[in-house]
Order: sequence, then C-alpha cells, then structure tokens
Amino acid sequence: GAGVSQSPSNKVTEKGKDVELRCDPISGHTALYWYRQSLGQGLEFLIYFQGNSAPDKSGLPSDRFSAERTGGSVSTLTIQRTQQEDSAVYLCASSLVRLAVYNEQFFGPGTRLTVL
Amino acid sequence: GENVEQHPSTLSVQEGDSAVIKCTYSDSASNYFPWYKQELGKRPQLIIDIRSNVGEKKDQRIAVTLNKTAKHFSLHITETQPEDSAVYFCAASQGPGRRALTFGSGTRLQVQP
Repeated sequence: GAGVSQSPSNKVTEKGKDVELRCDPISGHTALYWYRQSLGQGLEFLIYFQGNSAPDKSGLPSDRFSAERTGGSVSTLTIQRTQQEDSAVYLCASSLVRLAVYNEQFFGPGTRLTVL
Repeated sequence: GENVEQHPSTLSVQEGDSAVIKCTYSDSASNYFPWYKQELGKRPQLIIDIRSNVGEKKDQRIAVTLNKTAKHFSLHITETQPEDSAVYFCAASQGPGRRALTFGSGTRLQVQP
C-alpha cells in the first residue's frame, strides 16, 4: 500500500509568513510523529499523536509551532510568523501501536522549508 | 530528557572492510534502540533495531550490540559495499508511554570501491 506522504515537497516563504505542512500517514497507523531535520543534523522530535490521547507537544521549539490531527488520520503542522532558523526539512512518520511492542516508524519524504 | 550521542560523525572505509558506529544514551529508562539509514535526498529507513532485553541482534551483514550497564549500543556492518554509503542515525525510545525517538546526530559512511 501507499507509504507516508507529505505536501508540499518544497516550500519557500518570506520571514514573518505562516506556513502549513501536511502529512498523510499509512492507513491504520494510529501513531503519528513530526520531526525536524536541519542541514547535516539529526532528527529533532517535535510532536507525537497517538489515537485520541492528548498529543505530546514537548518537542515544539516555540509557541509559533502547532499541529493538529483530524479524524485520527491527516495531520497539519503550522508554523506562524516564520523565522530563518525555521528552515529545515520537516519529516512526518507513522507507526502501528501495540501494547508493550515497539513498532517501526515509517517516514515520509519530508517537506523542505526555506524561509527567506 | 534523553540525550543520544553518536560517533564518529564521518567514516570512510574500503569496500569489504567492516564499519562500526557507536552511540551512547543518557536515560536508563530507554529500552528500544533502532538504527536508520538515510541516503542522500531520501527519507530515513529502519535497518535494524534492538530491545533492551537482548544484547545482540544480527541481520545478514548488519549487527547491533547493546550494553545497558554502560548505556551504549553499536552498529556493525561487515563486508561493506558501495551501496552502504549513506548517513546512519541511531535513536532511543523511552518506553510504551513515550514512543517518540531521540536521534543521534548521524554518521556519514563512505565506502570506497
């Protein structure tokens, strides 16, 4: 079946503008994660959704960042008043969740965000 | 929170040689340790993982070892091939209540033909 998809693949915006990034997880995956990867760096956790539970927002770097997941499927990451340091590749991942079992996180292709 | 350190940042080996990448973690509650391979311009893909109740796991040319006492784990690639060239990331997860991964900073492996 289809893997995790993200849109847009590239986004160029001006400093101060708001942007929305979209993630479509694998069908049936109840867990969804957002990560950020700056150039040449590792992946930085942003936010995690699991089913109907309250999301784990502990990785969001500032209150300009927010995310929602509607209907337990598609997720949107919103960055308000973008800054140049927000430039990075934003990766979404999804996984099954089974009690006491760790399941592979499947990554999407990412959205490359460039803030001018 | 968890902190994962990864070494080396770059590694160059001759085709056929072995490559070893090492990671340490800080939180003794972490009990799941996956390794991801990321080719240039592509998404990370899981290549192997290990749970804390196991000390070693092997899958063909790839093996991972875990030392819970010392809080470190390593990736071993034997008989390296040019297609192994990529960036490798280790990660750690802190248990059923928190499944997000904390990643290391990555190792760029270059296999010279």
